Amino acid sequence: EVQLVESGGGLVQPGRSLRLSCAASGFTFDDYAMHWVRQAPGKGLEWVSGISWNSGSIGYADSVKGRFTISRDNAKNSLYLQMNSLRAEDTALYYCAKDRELGATEYYFDYWGQGTLVTVSS
Amino acid sequence: EIVLTQSPGTLSLSPGERATLSCRASQSVSSNYLTWYQQKLGQAPRLLIYGASSRATGIPDRFSGSGSGTDFTLTISRLEPEDFAVYYCQHYGSSLWTFGQGTKVEIK
Repeated sequence: EVQLVESGGGLVQPGRSLRLSCAASGFTFDDYAMHWVRQAPGKGLEWVSGISWNSGSIGYADSVKGRFTISRDNAKNSLYLQMNSLRAEDTALYYCAKDRELGATEYYFDYWGQGTLVTVSS
Repeated sequence: EIVLTQSPGTLSLSPGERATLSCRASQSVSSNYLTWYQQKLGQAPRLLIYGASSRATGIPDRFSGSGSGTDFTLTISRLEPEDFAVYYCQHYGSSLWTFGQGTKVEIK
C-alpha cells in the first residue's frame, strides 16, 4: 500500500524558514518523480514544485521560485521542501504527491499524502 | 501559461441526478495532460480521471471524462451521497502544472 506521510509544518514568523519532509513507503521511491502541492485555507490546489526520480529535473511555481528548494533522498525514501523567506501568503496545507505510473503517457498524480499545515504569521 | 477555468463554481443537485462539470483551457491542450481529482472535506485529493477520459483504479463507472482541445467535461451519471465534494481539473505543460479553481458539487 502506497503511503505518503508529510511532517515539519507549524507556525512560523514571516521571513523565517521551515523544512517539510515526506516519508514514502509501499512503492519503489527512486523510480518516481515527486511533487509538492499546497492548498491555502478554503482555497484551491496550487502546484508548488516537482522533482524527477534522480533529481536531474526540478521545477517550481513562479510564486515560490528563488525561495523554496525541493530535494529528495532516495536512500531514505524521503522528499523535502526547504522553504525560506516565508510570507503570509505561503500559509497552506502542503501535500506530497507521487507522479504517474511508470511508462504512462498521461500526466497525473496518483497518490497524495494527508498534508502538513504551514502557518506564516507574526 | 495555460489557465484552466472550471464551471460552474457550485453545482446544487440531488442524489440520483446527473452532474456535468466543465473545465476550459485558455489554449488547446493535449488530452494526455488533462486530469480530474475529487476532494472531499478534510481529505486529500483523489485521482479520478487521467488522460481526459481514463478512470483511475477503483473509480466507479458512473464517473466519466470527455473532451479535447480546450473543452473538457467530467460527468457523474447518477450522484451517490459520497460524490458530494469538490472537483478539480489539472493540466501539465511546459514543465508546469496548473489546476482549475474547482467545482463544488453540493446537495440540493
